[in-house]
Amino acid sequence: EAGVAQSPRYKIIEKRQSVAFWCNPISGHATLYWYQQILGQGPKLLIQFQNNGVVDDSQLPKDRFSAERLKGVDSTLKIQPAKLEDSAVYLCASSLNRARDTEAFFGQGTRLTVV
Amino acid sequence: GESVGLHLPTLSVQEGDNSIINCAYSNSASDYFIWYKQESGKGPQFIIDIRSNMDKRQGQRVTVLLNKTVKHLSLQIAATQPGDSAVYFCAETLSRGYQKVTFGTGTKLQVIP
Repeated sequence: EAGVAQSPRYKIIEKRQSVAFWCNPISGHATLYWYQQILGQGPKLLIQFQNNGVVDDSQLPKDRFSAERLKGVDSTLKIQPAKLEDSAVYLCASSLNRARDTEAFFGQGTRLTVV
Repeated sequence: GESVGLHLPTLSVQEGDNSIINCAYSNSASDYFIWYKQESGKGPQFIIDIRSNMDKRQGQRVTVLLNKTVKHLSLQIAATQPGDSAVYFCAETLSRGYQKVTFGTGTKLQVIP
């Protein structure tokens, strides 16, 4: 079974530029998560989708971050404009069904460096 | 590669010994607790979880203990192997559907051959 796919693997941008990350979850997984992991810290949930609907985006900085999952499968996370403090690894995870008590599987992440 | 474990507390264990990784959680309303293992350059990997109505759960070579009185969680790894070297995170959530999972700071486990 293929895992959660993320691209790009690494990205370096200048502050105030825009960037987008892509995630393809495990086939059939209804729930998709985006996490931000700053170096030396645990991941922080940014947004959670159930199919193509948002379940929780309370920790998403909505003035600069946006995410979508239009067809309930792939998802993109965008930052516009980026700040230096956005430098982190952005992790995508998916799980089979939120109500069915299943574990989340993580991708390898996209390492973003803002200079 | 990048170091997930930079500036994290480190536990050094001799290969073959047992490891105990501790975690203090913050929300007394949390209902599920999860341990994740994260190797350098990879995403977290689920190890084991436990519901708040239990105080112990065992898996393969791992045991999780939960003490709700003092909001403390521990992960015990039996016969630690070099492949166990990683950063370990505890996480808490209000429901087993993993809604709004809050991760702890993490502990770096270093296995000495």
